[in-house]
Amino acid sequence: NAGVTQTPKFRVLKTGQSMTLLCAQDMNHEYMYWYRQDPGMGLRLIHYSVGEGTTAKGEVPDGYNVSRLKKQNFLLGLESAAPSQTSVYFCASSDDSSGANVLTFGAGSRLTVL
Amino acid sequence: GQNIDQPTEMTATEGAIVQINCTYQTSGFNGLFWYQQHAGEAPTFLSYNVLDGLEEKGRFSSFLSRSKGYSYLLLKELQMKDSASYLCAVMDSNYQLIWGAGTKLIIKP
Repeated sequence: NAGVTQTPKFRVLKTGQSMTLLCAQDMNHEYMYWYRQDPGMGLRLIHYSVGEGTTAKGEVPDGYNVSRLKKQNFLLGLESAAPSQTSVYFCASSDDSSGANVLTFGAGSRLTVL
Repeated sequence: GQNIDQPTEMTATEGAIVQINCTYQTSGFNGLFWYQQHAGEAPTFLSYNVLDGLEEKGRFSSFLSRSKGYSYLLLKELQMKDSASYLCAVMDSNYQLIWGAGTKLIIKP
C-alpha cells in the first residue's frame, strides 16, 4: 500500500528553468493538495483539487501551476523557477474536505533554486 | 488575520511527560489537528478535536478549549522516537487548514 508517492525527492534548478513535481495516490481520494514548508513557517497551501479535472488556488499560488487530469495524479509545475521557490514541497490527499479531514502526506520533494 | 501559535522548541527527558501548547485565532472553527513530523519525513496524523475536552489515544492525549482558543498535546512516558516536530492546525469556517510553524521536541536520555 504505497499511499502518496512524490517524485522527484530532490532537485536542483537554475533560476528560470522549469520543472514538474508529480504526486500519485492509490487510495482513491477525491481531494489532493500541494503545500510548501519553509523554516519557521507553517505549511502553506499552494493549490488544491477537489476532484479529477478541477483545481483551485491556495494561499500562495503565484509562480505555480497544477493539473489533475487523472484522479490519482496531481502535478505541480514551475514555469520559471526563482530562488524564492527553494523549499520542501509536500503533496497530500484526503477523502473528505470537511470535518475530520485527515491528510495523508507524501514524503516530500526538496527543491533548490540557484 | 488568522494565527496559530506554538512554542518553537521544547526539551524533555526520556520517560517523562511533556505538554505542547497551541493557541489560535481563526475565522471560525471546524476542528483542530495535531500532526507529528520526524526530521526529513512527512507529517503524520495524531489527533483531531472538534469538541471541548480531552481525547486520549495511548501515550498521546489532546485537549481543546474552544472558548479560550487553546489546545495542548500531552505526551506521556516519552521515548527517544518521540523526538520530532509537532504541528498544530486549525480548520477555519471555509474548511481551510491553517498551520502553526510546529514545535520541535528534543528528548534527552
